[in-house]
Amino acid sequence: AQTVTQSQPEMSVQEAETVTLSCTYDTSESDYYLFWYKQPPSRQMILVIRQEAYKQQNATENRFSVNFQKAAKSFSLKISDSQLGDAAMYFCAWDFGNEKLTFGTGTRLTIIP
Amino acid sequence: DGGITQSPKYLFRKEGQNVTLSCEQNLNHDAMYWYRQDPGQGLRLIYYSQIVNDFQKGDIAEGYSVSREKKESFPLTVTSAQKNPTAFYLCASSIYKTDSYQETQYFGPGTRLLVL
Repeated sequence: AQTVTQSQPEMSVQEAETVTLSCTYDTSESDYYLFWYKQPPSRQMILVIRQEAYKQQNATENRFSVNFQKAAKSFSLKISDSQLGDAAMYFCAWDFGNEKLTFGTGTRLTIIP
Repeated sequence: DGGITQSPKYLFRKEGQNVTLSCEQNLNHDAMYWYRQDPGQGLRLIYYSQIVNDFQKGDIAEGYSVSREKKESFPLTVTSAQKNPTAFYLCASSIYKTDSYQETQYFGPGTRLLVL
């Protein structure tokens, strides 16, 4: 079975510091997509960043970047210069192209002023 | 503005009652999805539809039904057969291409369903 594991239920970081959220997945597929979604208190899921497995270059979106290690099946999210608005649940998700996302259980990120 | 709308924001269901959650999108997306979110868990796929008049079961379809009569609409009915319906329900949509891999899914604001 395809699984996505987020081993950190909660994380906290000082405002303006950097934090890394971990995600590992289990699959025998070679081509797939990985995503990080943010769910703020409003509960709407917002796409943060997306990575294609066939691309060796790590994706970046402003203060958000990923460390994609395909052989290790690891997909961590780094948030630089953390801001109060970054406080949310963060979900890692995986899909191999069949239009079905598999989500991890999430990491709750707290920003300390 | 283009986007996905879900209604109502909160919904209360009595025992033995069927209720329908609305999901509408004006993004001209082909594919639409329904997810369920329980506390402490990630999202789980209930049903999805890649084209009008066609849909497939996801991982937890029992006790739910859907229809896709229009491209922009994908309502979800929670039937009385769903014994534990209390959850947060999220609708999503994406462009669907048969010759490419997954297109990013965009989510609506969700509906909170509570059982009285």
